[in-house]
Amino acid sequence: NAGVTQTPKFRILKIGQSMTLQCTQDMNHNYMYWYRQDPGMGLKLIYYSVGAGITDKGEVPNGYNVSRSTTEDFPLRLELAAPSQTSVYFCASIQGVNQPQHFGDGTRLSIL
Amino acid sequence: EDQVTQSPEALRLQEGESSSLNCSYTVSGLRGLFWYRQDPGKGPEFLFTLYSAGEEKEKERLKATLTKKESFLHITAPKPEDSATYLCAVRYTGGGNKLTFGTGTQLKVEL
Repeated sequence: NAGVTQTPKFRILKIGQSMTLQCTQDMNHNYMYWYRQDPGMGLKLIYYSVGAGITDKGEVPNGYNVSRSTTEDFPLRLELAAPSQTSVYFCASIQGVNQPQHFGDGTRLSIL
Repeated sequence: EDQVTQSPEALRLQEGESSSLNCSYTVSGLRGLFWYRQDPGKGPEFLFTLYSAGEEKEKERLKATLTKKESFLHITAPKPEDSATYLCAVRYTGGGNKLTFGTGTQLKVEL
């Protein structure tokens, strides 16, 4: 099994550009999460989903959008990239309540 | 306010020198405390879940313990391959299925 797969691994954007970070899991997990990790700041929750068609905001949702049309995919959209969105983005998934989260290897995004 | 605090921020050990990492939490209604290991350029990798005070879990040189206010990750006779960032996270009543993470402890084990 591939687990949680994130693409791309690295990306450089210009201010104002848009892009979609892809996340796919092959474990048939219901719950999926997007985090950002800044140096010395820990992981902050951006958005999460409890199943296809259901999404909700986390701690730091501003500037991002998500959709969940299938169980497998949970893309994260940046509409107008800003330097403050330079970060490492992680996607995670779990099967059910109180299960440990499985993480992808992240997308490193720089906005210049 | 910080709900999960990890200390120290960084720790340098000699190979074989045992030590402990701390994770203190202020949430009420703890439903699980999770320890993860994160290597550079990788996503966090699950180590342990603890649910109630007094619980302990072990894996190789690592042992995690839990009290009502904090958790410790004890590392016995560490090796260089134990070098990583160790993250703890909590799930609590009112937080749904979301995790709140600490900022991590960077561990370096030298020969």
